[in-house]
Amino acid sequence: SYVLTQPPSVSVTPGQTARVTCGGNNIGRKSVHWFQQKPGQAPVLVVYDNTARPSGIPERFSGSNFGNTATLTISRVEAGDEADYYCQVWDSNSDHRVFGGGTKLTVL
Amino acid sequence: EVQLVESGGGLVQPGGSLRLSCAASGFTFNYYSMNWVRQAPGKGLEWVSYISSSGNTIYYADSVKGRFTISRDNAKNSLYLEVNSLRDDDTAVYYCARDLRSGYDDVSDIWGQGTMVTVSS
Repeated sequence: SYVLTQPPSVSVTPGQTARVTCGGNNIGRKSVHWFQQKPGQAPVLVVYDNTARPSGIPERFSGSNFGNTATLTISRVEAGDEADYYCQVWDSNSDHRVFGGGTKLTVL
Repeated sequence: EVQLVESGGGLVQPGGSLRLSCAASGFTFNYYSMNWVRQAPGKGLEWVSYISSSGNTIYYADSVKGRFTISRDNAKNSLYLEVNSLRDDDTAVYYCARDLRSGYDDVSDIWGQGTMVTVSS
């Protein structure tokens, strides 16, 4: 089945830019979605279809997807952005939705 | 307000069964496909099952196929997950989630707060 690979952790200082990557074979051909999950809370969709943002999500959250890597970029990082971030795609070969292992974003 | 509320979780012995429910409100339930996603303690998200808006198309993760059954009652605005032959590694918070546009290859934009299932003797 299709595998999505995320770094376990990313650290950034407030005001800087954080980039969370999601690797997969030819992932650039797929639609990638990103979720934010804070401790004890349900996931929240922050980017869908590679680059689109749901209503209410700040413009600081953006996405890109080329080749074998999709990236969630968080500009001007705030303390409140500290959370786990998950990428997700649809695997047409297995008819399964697949999540990456998750990345813990730490705001130093 | 768009809302999903799960119920039915609890402590169950290995090999046991439960029926999880998800009550939907604030939107036209029969327009949307739905999913169950679970998260084991301290672990990542795992997609479990998908059901189309009509209930005619259903998919399962390999880890639960043959043991879990997804269903919906559009008249009652409710989603269900029958979980049977439970194993220790089924211990998780189970979330129901509504799809953004409805389609097996879509994404879930609305999530409930989850219901905890603990499998232990």
